Amino acid sequence: GAGVSQSPSNKVTEKGKDVELRCDPISGHTALYWYRQSLGQGLEFLIYFQGNSAPDKSGLPSDRFSAERTGGSVSTLTIQRTQQEDSAVYLCASSPQGWGTDTQYFGPGTRLTVL
Amino acid sequence: AQSVTQLGSHVSVSEGALVLLRCNYSSSVPPYLFWYVQYPNQGLQLLLKYTTGATLVKGINGFEAEFKKSETSFHLTKPSAHMSDAAEYFCAVSGAMDSSYKLIFGSGTRLLVRP
Repeated sequence: GAGVSQSPSNKVTEKGKDVELRCDPISGHTALYWYRQSLGQGLEFLIYFQGNSAPDKSGLPSDRFSAERTGGSVSTLTIQRTQQEDSAVYLCASSPQGWGTDTQYFGPGTRLTVL
Repeated sequence: AQSVTQLGSHVSVSEGALVLLRCNYSSSVPPYLFWYVQYPNQGLQLLLKYTTGATLVKGINGFEAEFKKSETSFHLTKPSAHMSDAAEYFCAVSGAMDSSYKLIFGSGTRLLVRP
């Protein structure tokens, strides 16, 4: 079946602009995750959604970052007033139940460049 | 808090030689351990994972890893490297009591395979 898809694959923006990144998880997966991969910080957890529960936003680096998941499926990560340090690859993953033993299936990522 | 250390940011081997990528973890609770591989401009793909049971875990593409609790290690091995194994490899841990779903990644090891 189809894997996790993300769009756009690449995004170049100017400092101060807002951006939206989209993630389509694997059908039937109740858990969805966002991670950020950057040269300086490696792979970092950002946010976790599980069904109708309140999301775990503990990894969001600032209040300029927000995310939502509509209808328990598609998720959008929004970065407001982008800064150069936001340049990174943003990876989305989904898993069947959101347990620690789950395999998380990753999308190809969105490469964000802030000029 | 959980953490993962991968020794060696770059490992170079000859085609046909043994591959050994090192991973040590720190966790106050029994961990779940994962190895992911990332090919250029792609997302992460699961190679193998340890949750419970047999401590020697076999994965895809001929890779295996052994969970050694006494050494807090989960090293990845492959008897004979192939050119197609050239990629970046990430060790990760989950299972923390308050957020067991969160993957904590090591900094990654780039594997180079010489002809």
